Amino acid sequence: DIQMTQSPSTLSAFVGDRVTITCRASQSLSTWLAWYQQKPGKAPKLLIYKASSLESGVPSRFSGSGSGTEFTLTISSLQPDDIANYYCQQYNSYPTFGQGTKVEIK
Amino acid sequence: EVQLVQSGAEVKKPGESLRISCKGSGYGFTSYWITWVRQMPGRGLEWMGRIDPSDSNTNYSPSFQGHVTISGDKSISTAYLQWRSLKASDSAIYYCARHLAPYDSSGAFDYWGQGTLVTVFS
Repeated sequence: DIQMTQSPSTLSAFVGDRVTITCRASQSLSTWLAWYQQKPGKAPKLLIYKASSLESGVPSRFSGSGSGTEFTLTISSLQPDDIANYYCQQYNSYPTFGQGTKVEIK
Repeated sequence: EVQLVQSGAEVKKPGESLRISCKGSGYGFTSYWITWVRQMPGRGLEWMGRIDPSDSNTNYSPSFQGHVTISGDKSISTAYLQWRSLKASDSAIYYCARHLAPYDSSGAFDYWGQGTLVTVFS
C-alpha cells in the first residue's frame, strides 16, 4: 500500500488567514491525488483532483499543488464555512487516504 | 441530477449477515465505477473496494478482501456491500461513491451516498 501522511493533524487559524495542509506519499504518485472536505455528519466532498484541478462548484479560494510525493491544499482566505476535516487520497494504485486534518477557527 | 442513495441504518448482532445498498440515478450507471469507503467512529476514511457496474468486475483492498463482498445489479442501478458474518469491529459508517471519470477504475470520487450506519453489538 502507498502510505499517505498529512500534516498538521489539527490546524487553528483566524478567519481570512491563508491555510496550508500538506500530504506526503510513501512513493511517487505523479499527480494522481485528490483532496476532500468532510463536515460533521456529512459525506466527504471532492475539492481537488489530479493534484491541482478544482472540482466544479468549489470556491476558488481552494487550490492544490504538488507532484511526486509532496502535495499541498491551500485555502487562500479561511472562512467560517471551511471548518471541517480535510483528507488527501492517492489513486496511483489502490486508493489510500491520509489520516485527516481538522481545521478550526481561532 | 446525479444521486447515490444508500439504504438505511442497520443494527445487527455479531455473526449475522448483512447487505447494504447504493442506488445510482441521474447518470449512466454502467459507465462509472462505484467505490465503497468505511469510516469507523471518530476515524478517517478507508477504501474497501470497487465495482464496475457494467460487468460486476471487482477489486478489493487487501485489508477487506475475504471479509466483505461487493456486487451489483445493473438492471436496477444498484451496488451492494455485504458481510456473511459481522463482527463488532464492523460498526462504522459505510459510504458508496462514484468514480470521477467514466470507465476509469482509478480516480477520485465525485458523488457520494449519504452513508449507512452499521452498528454491531450483542
